[in-house]
Amino acid sequence: QKEVEQNSGPLSVPEGAIASLNCTYSDRGSQSFFWYRQYSGKSPELIMFIYSNGDKEDGRFTAQLNKASQYVSLLIRDSQPSDSATYLCAVNGWGNKLVFGAGTILRVKS
Amino acid sequence: NAGVTQTPKFRILKIGQSMTLQCAQDMNHNYMYWYRQDPGMGLKLIYYSVGAGITDKGEVPNGYNVSRSTTEDFPLRLELAAPSQTSVYFCASSPSGGGGNEQFFGPGTRLTVL
Repeated sequence: QKEVEQNSGPLSVPEGAIASLNCTYSDRGSQSFFWYRQYSGKSPELIMFIYSNGDKEDGRFTAQLNKASQYVSLLIRDSQPSDSATYLCAVNGWGNKLVFGAGTILRVKS
Repeated sequence: NAGVTQTPKFRILKIGQSMTLQCAQDMNHNYMYWYRQDPGMGLKLIYYSVGAGITDKGEVPNGYNVSRSTTEDFPLRLELAAPSQTSVYFCASSPSGGGGNEQFFGPGTRLTVL
C-alpha cells in the first residue's frame, strides 16, 4: 500500500512568518509530487508540483524535494491569514493515480 | 469553461436508498476520478476512468459503481446506501494520467446517510 504521511497539525504561525509543511512518502518509484490547498468546505486546488530533486519557487511558495530521503516540503514565505487552509500532499502512484496524504491544517494568526 | 461540475451539492439518503452523483467536465480531459473525503482525512480514490468506456477500481470501490459512456460525463452510483458512505465526494479530471498533470476538482457533493 502506497502511503503519504503528513502531520495533521494544526500548524500555527504568525502573520509574516515562514510556514513549513512536510510530507513523506513510501514508494521510491514516485516521480511527481503535488501540493494542493483546500479551504474549509471547498475543493482542493493545485498550488505547486515538483518532479526533480531540489527547490522550485513560485511567488511566496517553495516546494522542496529530496527523493533519497523520500521527503517533500512546502514553504510559504510572508504567511498571510488568507493562507489558512488544509494543505494536501499528493504523490503519483501506480497507474498514474495520485495518493493523497491526510493534510496539514495551517493557521496564520494576524 | 465551467470546468468540473457536480450535482447535487448536498443530499440526505436513508439507509438502503440508491442515488447517482453526477459529474461532468467541459475540458475534453481523458482521465476522470471519483474521490471521497471523510472528516480530517485525505482523499481516497473510489473509481477512475482513462477514457470513454474504460473504468477501473481505486482504493475504496465497495458499494459504488461507475460508467463512462462519454468523455464529458462520469456518474457515480451508490446502491443500498449505508452510514459508512456519509462523506464528501469529489470528482476530478486531468488531461492525461495524474502522475504528470494537474487534476482539476469539482465543488463536491456532501452526502449524509441516516
